[in-house]
Amino acid sequence: KQEVTQIPAALSVPEGENLVLNCSFTDSAIYNLQWFRQDPGKGLTSLLLIQSSQREQTSGRLNASLDKSSGRSTLYIAASQPGDSATYLCAVSRGGGADGLTFGKGTHLIIQP
Amino acid sequence: ETGVTQTPRHLVMGMTNKKSLKCEQHLGHNAMYWYKQSAKKPLELMFVYNFKEQTENNSVPSRFSPECPNSSHLFLHLHTLQPEDSALYLCASSRGASGNTGELFFGEGSRLTVL
Repeated sequence: KQEVTQIPAALSVPEGENLVLNCSFTDSAIYNLQWFRQDPGKGLTSLLLIQSSQREQTSGRLNASLDKSSGRSTLYIAASQPGDSATYLCAVSRGGGADGLTFGKGTHLIIQP
Repeated sequence: ETGVTQTPRHLVMGMTNKKSLKCEQHLGHNAMYWYKQSAKKPLELMFVYNFKEQTENNSVPSRFSPECPNSSHLFLHLHTLQPEDSALYLCASSRGASGNTGELFFGEGSRLTVL
């Protein structure tokens, strides 16, 4: 059974810092990996999707990397801003059809002004 | 706006009530999902429908009954729930056909409180 772990569970940093969120998964036979953002009481917003054949994806100040063989992904946030405060969720899929995602518990991020 | 709309956003019900959650997607997708999000636990996949057919039931109690009349609509019928069923229920959709990216798009969720 696939298990996804995210470290740290919570992180508080001053505005402007670069930071890294970590995600690991136990079964390397994944189809893709998605990073989401969730604001309190809200749904999930997709940030980045990395296919299993890819090594990284970038969107603005966000960069996600994937090392499938070692079962790891990182989300790098550059020049953090208070608006980046949210919970960040990592999830992996076993297929590209209708297989659903297995999620980690998330990293709760606070950016101090 | 993700293209996935859930109603109601908030629901309070007693243990003997019957209520339903509704999800509608405007993305032309063929797969729809129900997830449960409880405090301090990862999102749990409940049900998957692909081309209107249920393809996954993740050992969900029968007091939760899903319905998918077409590829754009998904319901979760609730009956005789327990207080521990209080959670955020999230609907998602994806293209559903093999060979696609498999990217999921989520709604805003329905916050359920069972008294």
